[in-house]
Amino acid sequence: QVQLIQSGAEVKKPGASVKVSCKAAGYTFTNSDITWVRQATGQGFEWMGWMDPDNGDTRYAQKFQGRVTMTRDTSITTASMELSSLTFDDTAVYFCARRSRFPGGSWGYYYGMDVWGQGTTVTVTS
Amino acid sequence: DIQMTQSPSSLSASVGARVTMTCRASQSIRDDLSWYQQKPGEAPKLLIYGASTLHSGVSSRFSGSGSGTEFALTISGLLPEDSATYYCQQSFTTQWTFGQGTKVEIK
Repeated sequence: QVQLIQSGAEVKKPGASVKVSCKAAGYTFTNSDITWVRQATGQGFEWMGWMDPDNGDTRYAQKFQGRVTMTRDTSITTASMELSSLTFDDTAVYFCARRSRFPGGSWGYYYGMDVWGQGTTVTVTS
Repeated sequence: DIQMTQSPSSLSASVGARVTMTCRASQSIRDDLSWYQQKPGEAPKLLIYGASTLHSGVSSRFSGSGSGTEFALTISGLLPEDSATYYCQQSFTTQWTFGQGTKVEIK
């Protein structure tokens, strides 16, 4: 079935980097963008950016510009998100999601995140 | 960035009730709005896109409305499994933003 499977929990020290992977299964990986969203404990969601697996194009949230890198390996249908210079405030659950287009709207389509990974907990601790 | 403000932050209602929650955008986002449901310990689930189009497989008890800056999500005939937090999210600009959520509890 269609699914996104994320890598396991990470514990990092401040200043380090973390890389979270997201393996796509059950659909054509290059047909839909992958977005990344994070959620601190008890908080709402923060959109981090998206990547087009077909050509590697990316769009990052301004807050994370210069600190986040989204990549993909089409041979293993896996997207990755690397966040550098970690601080305690980066402690959160990180989700990948498929960004799908649905017919309609002024642009000819609407976006929706219709398939989600299970989430990866990243803990930044000294 | 466009700010998304949801209200109320939480609500409590009985099984069978009809509940409505709202989402307001800081500027017009046309109808480029989605609603998500999240249960504790789970990933979110897409309910509605384009402000009012029900995603495939989602119960028709859920409905969305609105355009511009004012949006609403209504649950008709509330069921115990509807206990969750609901988030709106705009995709009008390239910098996506979410509301802070409305937590729905069943009395």
